[in-house]
Amino acid sequence: DGGITQSPKYLFRKEGQNVTLSCEQNLNHDAMYWYRQDPGQGLRLIYYSQIVNDFQKGDIAEGYSVSREKKESFPLTVTSAQKNPTAFYLCASSMSFRASGIQYFGAGTRLSVL
Amino acid sequence: AQKITQTQPGMFVQEKEAVTLDCTYDTSDPSYGLFWYKQPSSGEMIFLIYQGSYDQQNATEGRYSLNFQKARKSANLVISASQLGDSAMYFCAMREAASGGSYIPTFGRGTSLIVHP
Repeated sequence: DGGITQSPKYLFRKEGQNVTLSCEQNLNHDAMYWYRQDPGQGLRLIYYSQIVNDFQKGDIAEGYSVSREKKESFPLTVTSAQKNPTAFYLCASSMSFRASGIQYFGAGTRLSVL
Repeated sequence: AQKITQTQPGMFVQEKEAVTLDCTYDTSDPSYGLFWYKQPSSGEMIFLIYQGSYDQQNATEGRYSLNFQKARKSANLVISASQLGDSAMYFCAMREAASGGSYIPTFGRGTSLIVHP
């Protein structure tokens, strides 16, 4: 079955620690995205990537970093510079930026601070 | 200013009745796309329906239809014959052009729909 796999489902971060959220897709999509969801605020774009080895900052990139070394993988690192990381993180992909833009989402990772 | 506005934080509907979820948008891009997604309590976002800015007819997908009023910048989702499984958060989203030839997606804050038996 094609789809997007996010892991882990739950993640706990200690003070000063970097943590990495995994996102893998087998849809052969060019574009991938990371969103943060807080209660009552909808989805906010952290980073997006149109193609391998390229990525762009979204609206709230500070305290986060990404890489796109393979087409199917787009991991997100929440660094110690992100002072309020507790949120629900969603990864998505779409065929390309120039197609209709329909996004397919993973099941999400819930990050909490210990 | 918000690019996507969903003014209804919560909506209630009786099973088998129709319900309309409101969405207004703001963009200067003539070639934009509008989407609706459903988010059940499990958290995964599910694509429901898409409307392109140049599409002449309203989009329909089964029980879902998008009431597209371009001059009013309105893209309301209509769910006909509501089912208990329709209880979820619903998000309106827009894709518009950004610098460098990319397209940026923007989401509204969502509307919580509860379907009563």
